[in-house]
Amino acid sequence: QVHLVQSGAEVKKPGASVRVSCEASGNTLATYYVHWVRQAPGQGLEWMGSINPSGSSSRSAQRFQGRVAMTRDTSRRTVYMELSSLRSEDTAVYYCARERVEYSSSFILDTWGQGTLVTVSS
Amino acid sequence: QSVLTQPPSASGTPGQRVSISCSGSTSNIGSNTVNWYQQLPGTAPKLLMFANNQRPSGVPDRFSGSKSGTSASLAISGLQSEDEADYYCAAWDDSLHGYVFGAGTKVTVL
Repeated sequence: QVHLVQSGAEVKKPGASVRVSCEASGNTLATYYVHWVRQAPGQGLEWMGSINPSGSSSRSAQRFQGRVAMTRDTSRRTVYMELSSLRSEDTAVYYCARERVEYSSSFILDTWGQGTLVTVSS
Repeated sequence: QSVLTQPPSASGTPGQRVSISCSGSTSNIGSNTVNWYQQLPGTAPKLLMFANNQRPSGVPDRFSGSKSGTSASLAISGLQSEDEADYYCAAWDDSLHGYVFGAGTKVTVL
């Protein structure tokens, strides 16, 4: 059973940036696309973007373009999501999620991290 | 306003059948497959159904999915108390170039 473990909760001021990490046991992220999905308090799920296995390419939802960066350190089996120019509306739980099949970008997200709460407040 | 439209709530008594609809357009459901996620209270989402009607290993066959045209649906037969959760449909949208979720349907077991 693969487990994705995310970094801990963060509190940031408006205008700052936050970086959330996502790590898997064993070498179980290196060959998979990894996605980021967020959920504002009491709201639904929102896809932010994804990164390919090699880390050479990523894509993001239009509303986050220019503000989100996804990277990965395959030697450490860790993926990162950095969101900049934070505003109060970015307060949410941020999830990483792994694709179901290696090297596949089918958007079938079958393994999820536990979530990281990011609070943006002055 | 979500691109995929779901009813906000659905309910049933134990043993009943509950169906959740997900309505989209030609740019999402009409041309791509639909996945469903279940989110139990206070937990991360879980993949419940993929490629319209495929159940991941471990998902009971009480859950079934279907798609027709620009709409999809998830059915839960033999409703159980542990099925109380939020359910989200999702699909790739060719116009938005993004993966879109419905707003979610809260299923209550009466």
